[in-house]
Amino acid sequence: DQQVKQNSPSLSVQEGRISILNCDYTNSMFDYFLWYKKYPAEGPTFLISISSIKDKNEDGRFTVFLNKSAKHLSLHIVPSQPGDSAVYFCAASLYNTDKLIFGTGTRLQVFP
Amino acid sequence: GAGVSQSPSNKVTEKGKDVELRCDPISGHTALYWYRQRLGQGLEFLIYFQGNSAPDKSGLPSDRFSAERTGESVSTLTIQRTQQEDSAVYLCASTQGWDNEQFFGPGTRLTVL
Repeated sequence: DQQVKQNSPSLSVQEGRISILNCDYTNSMFDYFLWYKKYPAEGPTFLISISSIKDKNEDGRFTVFLNKSAKHLSLHIVPSQPGDSAVYFCAASLYNTDKLIFGTGTRLQVFP
Repeated sequence: GAGVSQSPSNKVTEKGKDVELRCDPISGHTALYWYRQRLGQGLEFLIYFQGNSAPDKSGLPSDRFSAERTGESVSTLTIQRTQQEDSAVYLCASTQGWDNEQFFGPGTRLTVL
């Protein structure tokens, strides 16, 4: 049973435009959400996170939005750059635990 | 400082052989995780060590898989009698234990022929 879902396996965006990556979850007890970026042959690297007490967190070109009622979060990248091309994983954790549940990832390709 | 390191980076083995994968976490990190990523799939949790507590082995797919960790240092993941479906990238991550952000190693790509 996939508790964290990324329904789009891939996304292609033109440089300079906005990239929107989506993530849905089923467990309402998740209280912390993270996005990781993964380049080929490298481990995932942390990108941005959001606590369930917030609905938005922004860090430079990256913004994560959380809609608790819809159990949905999204990562916005604007403007998108070719170096953003990677696989993006959404992850969630339960209160007072360190264990992360990862989604299946979305491959983003930013073309010139 | 040094990040999480894993060895070997690549391992090719024959079906039925045992393999041992190593993870060196970031110094001072109390929690250590093993994940697996099979081709075209997401990160699959395998096992979790936190300090001196009993490890969370709930993600291990079969009794052929085991892992050990000595204190808060190196961990080894052992796969006995490897099968072709064990082929994957095995990723290790560590964290300070009070922070959800996990730091990943580069992974070990295991190929079972």
